[in-house]
Amino acid sequence: GAVVSQHPSRVICKSGTSVKIECRSLDFQATTMFWYRQFPKQSLMLMATSNEGSKATYEQGVEKDKFLINHASLTLSTLTVTSAHPEDSSFYICSALGHLLGDTEAFFGQGTRLTVV
Amino acid sequence: KQEVTQIPAALSVPEGENLVLNCSFTDSAIYNLQWFRQDPGKGLTSLLLIQSSQREQTSGRLNASLDKSSGRSTLYIAASQPGDSATYLCAVPFSGGYNKLIFGAGTRLAVHP
Repeated sequence: GAVVSQHPSRVICKSGTSVKIECRSLDFQATTMFWYRQFPKQSLMLMATSNEGSKATYEQGVEKDKFLINHASLTLSTLTVTSAHPEDSSFYICSALGHLLGDTEAFFGQGTRLTVV
Repeated sequence: KQEVTQIPAALSVPEGENLVLNCSFTDSAIYNLQWFRQDPGKGLTSLLLIQSSQREQTSGRLNASLDKSSGRSTLYIAASQPGDSATYLCAVPFSGGYNKLIFGAGTRLAVHP
C-alpha cells in the first residue's frame, strides 16, 4: 500500500510563533496533496489543495497568509501556521493522491496535534 | 452543494454483534465513496473504496455497499470485536471534484467485551 508520513505528530508552541508541518509520500509520487483540519469531536474540513510546482488552492474562509502551503517536490508538501494563536490549536491531517492498480485514491498521514499556548 | 450525513452518531454494542453504519450524500454524481477508520488522536486508515460503477466492496469482516441513485452507502461489520472500537467516517469527493473529499461527521463505535 501507499504510505504517507506526517511530521511532527505532536507540537506545542507559544502564541505568535510559526509552526511547520511536513507531509511526505514515502513510496509514491503525489502531484496533489490535501490539508485538512479537525476540531475535537468534529469531522475533517478541507483547508487547501496543494499542487506540486504551483500555488495552493484554498477553501473559502481559510486565510492563505496564515496557513502557508508549499509543495516543492512530488513527495513533500508543507503547511506552515504563521503567528499561531490558541484558536489555531487543532488536529491537522494531510493526504496525498496516489494512483495504484488503476484506481486513484487518497492516502492519509497520521496527523499533527497542534497546541498553541 | 454536497453534504454527507452519517447515522447513528454513536453506537455501543456488546462483542459479537453484526453492525450497520449508514452514510447518505446529497449529490449522487460521485466518482467514488470511501470508508475510513479513525482511532482517538490518530489519522485515518482507509477501509474500503467503492468506485461509482461498483455496488459493494468487501474486506474481511467489512462489507460496504453503494446505492448512488438513492445517495446511500452502508458499512456492515460482522461479528464485532472490541478492537473495532473507533470512529468510522465516510467521504465522497466534492461535487465536480476528484478525491478532494467531503467527510461525514462519523459514527463513534464502542464494542464492549
